[in-house]
Amino acid sequence: DIQMTQSPPSLSASLGDKVTITCQASQNINKYIAWYQQKPGKAPRLLIRYTSTLESGTPSRFSGSGSGRDYSFSISNVESEDIASYYCLQYDNLYTFGAGTKLELK
Amino acid sequence: QVQLKESGPGLVQPSQTLSLTCTVSGFSLTSNSVHWVRQPPGKGLEWVGAIWSGGSTDYNSALKSRLSISRDTSKSQVFLKMNSLQTEDTAIYFCTRWGPPFAYWGQGTLVTVSS
Repeated sequence: DIQMTQSPPSLSASLGDKVTITCQASQNINKYIAWYQQKPGKAPRLLIRYTSTLESGTPSRFSGSGSGRDYSFSISNVESEDIASYYCLQYDNLYTFGAGTKLELK
Repeated sequence: QVQLKESGPGLVQPSQTLSLTCTVSGFSLTSNSVHWVRQPPGKGLEWVGAIWSGGSTDYNSALKSRLSISRDTSKSQVFLKMNSLQTEDTAIYFCTRWGPPFAYWGQGTLVTVSS
């Protein structure tokens, strides 16, 4: 089974900051990584698929990059509506989520 | 539009069997796969298993011995059955359609394992 190590577990940011979350896979996942946003009491929302492809409706301040085993997700100019938890998902070989990152306001 | 909705008992006793139903609309089960994902309260997401468009299934290796996923295409329903439930199976259970990847989600249903 592929393991996904996501960090940090939590982030504190001010409005307008840039934040970055990383996920490292236990093996090459060939860019098959997606990023989800989840707000309390809601289902996850797909933001980015295949490393860097933004879903329709995802603001351009969200971005993703990476290759091989190492991937990152960034939010530039954090807005109040971005306060949520974020999860990576590998879908190269079955499916594994990262442990999540909780983004809070400083 | 694509919709998924989970239903089932909110409370299950330890060692008993959980049965959940995912009722879908806006797409065909014979053309799309449906997956189950769960989330213990306050914790992260865990892929549980899937039923593919052709009817074959895949399961999380940690749950495989206790899990069965099936479907009724005429009713647009997908079923999850998990036996020998323990308190650590307490979670919100979501059904989700492959996008790729998981692009459409139900609202989730909370299952509490308790006596």
